Amino acid sequence: TQLLEQSPQFLSIQEGENLTVYCNSSSVFSSLQWYRQEPGEGPVLLVTVVTGGEVKKLKRLTFQFGDARKDSSLHITAAQPGDTGLYLCADRRYQKVTFGTGTKLQVIP
Amino acid sequence: DAGITQSPRYKITETGRQVTLMCHQTWSHSYMFWYRQDLGHGLRLIYYSAAADITDKGEVPDGYVVSRSKTENFPLTLESATRSQTSVYFCASSSGTGNNSPLHFGNGTRLTVT
Repeated sequence: TQLLEQSPQFLSIQEGENLTVYCNSSSVFSSLQWYRQEPGEGPVLLVTVVTGGEVKKLKRLTFQFGDARKDSSLHITAAQPGDTGLYLCADRRYQKVTFGTGTKLQVIP
Repeated sequence: DAGITQSPRYKITETGRQVTLMCHQTWSHSYMFWYRQDLGHGLRLIYYSAAADITDKGEVPDGYVVSRSKTENFPLTLESATRSQTSVYFCASSSGTGNNSPLHFGNGTRLTVT
């Protein structure tokens, strides 16, 4: 069974700070996805990365996929209160999507 | 409204009772999923369905039953609820299994078993 570990588990920062969260898999990712979940809602897909070493940017969010395709990081520049939420990495293998335990981010104004 | 809706939003039931959580999607997506979300465990797959009348077990299927007689509906039934099934349940749908077919989630049902 694939295990996806995310760190840190919780993160509370001031508005304007930068942060990085990490996702490590016990096996090679088939297709890495990052989701964000806001309180009281379901997760929403942010990005999908497939190629080892790939870097994708989504405004202030930068997603990096490790060369060996077993780890990933999400960097947020100049965090804003709207970034508050639970960040989940996931591995998509056809019809099965396995999720990590998540990093809960709180951005304080 | 278009999208994926779950009902009820909140449910309190007693141990041993049967309870059904509803999920309805308007996109005609082939794939539908049920996850439960618990602190420390993240999202765990209970059951999924590739099409009407095709269902398969996920990671934690024990104590749950699903059906999919119509493409748009995917109800989840707890046959005899237990306290360990207290959780937030999310339904999701997807048009396919490729990288360009993300999961679209409902807003969840918070179930408490007393």
